Amino acid sequence: QLQLQESGPGLVKPSETLSLTCTVSGGSISSSSYYWGWIRQSPGKGLEWIGNIYYSGNTYYNPSLRSRVTISVDTSKSQFSLRVSSVTAADTAVYFCATYTTSWAAFDYWGQGTLVTVSS
Amino acid sequence: QSALTQPASVSGSPGQSITISCTGTSSDVGSYNLVSWYQHHPGKAPKLMIYEASKRPSGVSNRFSGSKSGNTASLTISGLQAEDEADYFCSSYAGSSTWVFGGGTKLTVL
Repeated sequence: QLQLQESGPGLVKPSETLSLTCTVSGGSISSSSYYWGWIRQSPGKGLEWIGNIYYSGNTYYNPSLRSRVTISVDTSKSQFSLRVSSVTAADTAVYFCATYTTSWAAFDYWGQGTLVTVSS
Repeated sequence: QSALTQPASVSGSPGQSITISCTGTSSDVGSYNLVSWYQHHPGKAPKLMIYEASKRPSGVSNRFSGSKSGNTASLTISGLQAEDEADYFCSSYAGSSTWVFGGGTKLTVL
């Protein structure tokens, strides 16, 4: 069974870049069956899809975040990463990494999430 | 791309049934049968409960069922149990390899 674990700084200063990594275990990050995604939940709000990446490196982003977001994959480390540039307080959220399984068209494995606070 | 609309909260007594709606547009829910539902106990990883609008992953109780009509999808939980108390989110494919989520519904079991 796939397991995902987010890691990264819990505090980022305004205008700086938020960087998170998701480590995948229990399965292959190079599987053709999965996309690897980032989703966030701002305090008191719903979930927001940030973007997905395929093991080949193809990326797909939320149009509202596209200009500030980069998702990358390192298959040798079984990790994929998220970078959000020029952050503001509005980027304060719990960030989840998740697996999108193509056969189900759904996010079926999730990490527990990591809180990132944007504050000086 | 706007968030899907869900009621902020619903409640029910043990043994009762409740339904949570998820309203989108003709560009997402209305165009694709790719609606999924997630249960989230705060502090834990969200759990997939329904995919492709009405299918249940193995291991998910048959008390959970999903449906879709037009631009609105629904999640029904029958025989409510205390452990069902959680936040529930819907999601839909929105075309061009993008996805959209709902604002979430807090279920309280009275």
